Amino acid sequence: DAKTTQPNSMESNEEEPVHLPCNHSTISGTDYIHWYRQLPSQGPEYVIHGLTSNVNNRMASLAIAEDRKSSTLILHRATLRDAAVYYCILRDVPGAGSYQLTFGKGTKLSVIP
Amino acid sequence: DTGVSQDPRHKITKRGQNVTFRCDPISEHNRLYWYRQTLGQGPEFLTYFQNEAQLEKSRLLSDRFSAERPKGSFSTLEIQRTEQGDSAMYLCASSLGGYTFGSGTRLTVV
Repeated sequence: DAKTTQPNSMESNEEEPVHLPCNHSTISGTDYIHWYRQLPSQGPEYVIHGLTSNVNNRMASLAIAEDRKSSTLILHRATLRDAAVYYCILRDVPGAGSYQLTFGKGTKLSVIP
Repeated sequence: DTGVSQDPRHKITKRGQNVTFRCDPISEHNRLYWYRQTLGQGPEFLTYFQNEAQLEKSRLLSDRFSAERPKGSFSTLEIQRTEQGDSAMYLCASSLGGYTFGSGTRLTVV
């Protein structure tokens, strides 16, 4: 899987938007961009994924650069429950190779009340 | 759908002992994965099952580690002759498309 680069940590004030960046300059044409987050003492949980177009769901939005070399996870209003480590992961189309997820160190998001 | 269950949540064992962890995936998920996570790091892939077949094994999975999924449902991960370096969180996940992780088993080898 291609490598991603994320800041080690970020801070946000509660109820403000948060933009979590991810660089993936070596992304291939069939790599999907996945985001997972891991709350303290929990396993990772799926947040969102996309290929080329921006995506929205109830948890977050995913903005993908036109050249796909970077993406941004957007939490529209951070809450204390959003404090977690956020992982940006590239994964090829299902069946194209390994089904495993390759995690980096992620971005630790702290939310300030 | 009760999610992915892992048992036990915590395990403390003496060096040299054998330990076994259990994972119960979401019932309709045919793929099951084991990951290991040490402090400050992201999870690292260990092994993957499709139904009862073990299709991938990481080089992290030494000879002391063995995983089974005998009937394509629950899975067990056994570590023989535990070492202090085995201390970690062991995560199980299952998928049909997207992944669902369990809360993990935290192993401490003393």
